[in-house]
Amino acid sequence: DVKVTQSSRYLVKRTGEKVFLECVQDMDHENMFWYRQDPGLGLRLIYFSYDVKMKEKGDIPEGYSVSREKKERFSLILESASTNQTSMYLCASNGNTEAFFGQGTRLTVV
Amino acid sequence: AQRVTQPEKLLSVFKGAPVELKCNYSYSGSPELFWYVQYSRQRLQLLLRHISRESIKGFTADLNKGETSFHLKKPFAQEEDSAMYYCALLLGYQKVTFGTGTKLQVIP
Repeated sequence: DVKVTQSSRYLVKRTGEKVFLECVQDMDHENMFWYRQDPGLGLRLIYFSYDVKMKEKGDIPEGYSVSREKKERFSLILESASTNQTSMYLCASNGNTEAFFGQGTRLTVV
Repeated sequence: AQRVTQPEKLLSVFKGAPVELKCNYSYSGSPELFWYVQYSRQRLQLLLRHISRESIKGFTADLNKGETSFHLKKPFAQEEDSAMYYCALLLGYQKVTFGTGTKLQVIP
């Protein structure tokens, strides 16, 4: 059974904290993605990576950065968390067929 | 701009009634389109893709290039179809752009 695993289901962080969201996939996919999911806005792409150490900005990269040091792991970093980054974050990986998603991380910034 | 539009945020139908979830796209190349579904408390997963021309759980979707549409249809809704449905368009690097989603509510 293929898997994309996000390290946390729920996180609560304070404004200004540095936040790390981790994602691991076991399918040897080259492409990995971070989305945020908000009601009425759907899924919006934050960043994606098509190879180790390679990254590209998505549609809403402001306030975020990413790290891809190993093929299986893609980390999303909130440099200084703000309340408007409270959201559901979804990680995905994609070979050449379909995107596989993690279970999501519900981040609340207080 | 490459985008996917789902005009309905919520669609409520009675059990046994036909379902049509609308999706329109804009894309300059040859589009590859998908429908993803998210059931309550489950992860987002692929429902079907247009290149497969398959029926999954009774759902079908036909790509209409003239109308730039990829509507999802099912002749008889079931309660277990209640979920959030996202239309999606494949871009380069296997990057997928999603619509805003339609919540399908099947009323018993």
